[in-house]
Amino acid sequence: NAGVTQTPKFQVLKTGQSMTLQCAQDMNHEYMSWYRQDPGMGLRLIHYSVGAGITDQGEVPNGYNVSRSTTEDFPLRLLSAAPSQTSVYFCASSYRGRFTEAFFGQGTRLTVV
Amino acid sequence: AQKITQTQPGMFVQEKEAVTLDCTYDTSDPSYGLFWYKQPSSGEMIFLIYQGSYDQQNATEGRYSLNFQKARKSANLVISASQLGDSAMYFCAMRTGGSNYKLTFGKGTLLTVNP
Repeated sequence: NAGVTQTPKFQVLKTGQSMTLQCAQDMNHEYMSWYRQDPGMGLRLIHYSVGAGITDQGEVPNGYNVSRSTTEDFPLRLLSAAPSQTSVYFCASSYRGRFTEAFFGQGTRLTVV
Repeated sequence: AQKITQTQPGMFVQEKEAVTLDCTYDTSDPSYGLFWYKQPSSGEMIFLIYQGSYDQQNATEGRYSLNFQKARKSANLVISASQLGDSAMYFCAMRTGGSNYKLTFGKGTLLTVNP
């Protein structure tokens, strides 16, 4: 009963490096999303997807890239890491609809030095 | 555009007492869902309770209840008989169909339960 699995849990990057945060869900959810959490800012939406092959930008998309080739996976790519991207990242999935709760991964704590 | 406002950055409550965490929302969509999540110090996001905009009765889940006042656009979380384990960050969130079902969060309220 895995739910939403995020890897890695912790990561330190140097400025300018690229990396991919992995997210996988096994609940056959159409909707997947990435958030970043910063102190005092709540959770802000980076990118989301309403199904395989469909992605769209959220509130803070700059510096991030996503793709959704399968229903299960929704990786988040940092193209050229910056210190401003130091944050905790959450992946979430749900059925598509306004009345459905989202299930979250455990989060990834990313530090960019 | 949809917006969630949580005006209480921090709240304190004595163990065994009830506490209300405030949440107001703004949307022009008549159909929406309201959610509360708990984030303990360990970091995971835990779903607590949900209220649909067409629900006639306030949602309840164990010690959690949602005081839904549609005309005021408020969806306050009430925790009864607080326990030390309730100490956590609490987030109010909303999703509408008009926003392509995006889940929008407030900035959160840090609840501390004192023994």
